[in-house]
Amino acid sequence: GQNIDQPTEMTATEGAIVQINCTYQTSGFNGLFWYQQHAGEAPTFLSYNVLDGLEEKGRFSSFLSRSKGYSYLLLKELQMKDSASYLCAVLDSNYQLIWGAGTKLIIKP
Amino acid sequence: NAGVTQTPKFRILKIGQSMTLQCAQDMNHNYMYWYRQDPGMGLKLIYYSVGAGITDKGEVPNGYNVSRSTTEDFPLRLELAAPSQTSVYFCASSSAGESNEQFFGPGTRLTVL
Repeated sequence: GQNIDQPTEMTATEGAIVQINCTYQTSGFNGLFWYQQHAGEAPTFLSYNVLDGLEEKGRFSSFLSRSKGYSYLLLKELQMKDSASYLCAVLDSNYQLIWGAGTKLIIKP
Repeated sequence: NAGVTQTPKFRILKIGQSMTLQCAQDMNHNYMYWYRQDPGMGLKLIYYSVGAGITDKGEVPNGYNVSRSTTEDFPLRLELAAPSQTSVYFCASSSAGESNEQFFGPGTRLTVL
């Protein structure tokens, strides 16, 4: 079956750095997405990786290793507004998005 | 641009009732999707469409129907509502090509009692 694993919850301190991991086992791979979802709101796009390596976008970076079925989202200089759930999603061989359950990130002052 | 809009925001249904969740986008996107999100779970794809007149089943289509008569609109129909359909429903759209980001509507919170 298809499976995406992320930690359920993480806690970090304002101003610090946090890494949210995602491992996947899917039928094929056509890219990996990270979305941010604040409580009670819709998901919003953060990043897309299809090749191995690190993609940096401001305070957020996303890394992909296709051979390991692994990605991480790195958030730097954490702000209180970064408190949200972070969803990892993989585009499988049928170009269907398979979603992880999300990681709830709690930022403490 | 309004982006992706959904109505209603909230709805309570009785078992066996039917309703239509509306979704519209003004970005001229070809691809549109319906997801449901249960607490603590990932998004599950119900139906999707790659263009007007074309729809296809996703992972969890049972109990739902869709139509796509125009590029802008993609309504989701629930027939004979069941408590298992209690969930938050999100509509999304993207430009041609599945590797493009999806833009989500604000969601409809549905409770079936």
